[in-house]
Amino acid sequence: DIQMTQSPSSLSASVGDRVAITCRAGQSVSAFLNWYQQKPGKAPKLLIYAASSLASGVPSRFSGSGSGTDFTLTISSLQPEDFATYHCQQTSNTPWTFGQGTKVEIK
Amino acid sequence: EVQLVESGGGLVKPGGSLRLSCASSGLSLNNAWMSWVRQAPGKGLEWVGRIKSNSDGGTTDFAAPVKGRFTISKDGSKNTLYLQMNSLKTEDTAVYYCTTDHLYCSGNCYRYFDNWGQGTLVTVSS
Repeated sequence: DIQMTQSPSSLSASVGDRVAITCRAGQSVSAFLNWYQQKPGKAPKLLIYAASSLASGVPSRFSGSGSGTDFTLTISSLQPEDFATYHCQQTSNTPWTFGQGTKVEIK
Repeated sequence: EVQLVESGGGLVKPGGSLRLSCASSGLSLNNAWMSWVRQAPGKGLEWVGRIKSNSDGGTTDFAAPVKGRFTISKDGSKNTLYLQMNSLKTEDTAVYYCTTDHLYCSGNCYRYFDNWGQGTLVTVSS
């Protein structure tokens, strides 16, 4: 199984801050990397697919980059509705695996 | 608009069985790859298994922790997906989500989960 490791596990930030979350794969997953946002008590929501493609309806302040083993999700200007947990997922090899999640909290 | 609604969760004793349902509207399950994903309390997401579309054979794949205990099926006439869980263990306690396992092709083909149900809680405890 491909292990996915996110860092940090949590962070505190203020509205308007630029935030970056990294995801590292245990082996190359090419660009088969997705990002999801999850709010408490809710299902995850797709943000980014194929490492850098923005899902439909997702604000342009979200962006994804990287390939191979190292990926980054960037929020250019954090908004109040962005406080949530973010998960990366590889779909290069089954079993599809997720990172442990990064919780973005209000400073 | 695709809507997925899970049901069937509840409290079950270790060794017991439970069947979860996922009713779909706006999407024919016969034509879709579908996955189940779970999330233990306070933990991350874990892929459980998937079923391919009928045109791709309708076969299933499972994660190692549930292989041999869980099965996935669908009823096209009811447009409903099922997760049959047998020999349940305390570590199977989680919220279970059904999701569409979507394929996007542009040069390469990429998979992602773009529609999710609201989840149903399964608690395995004596």
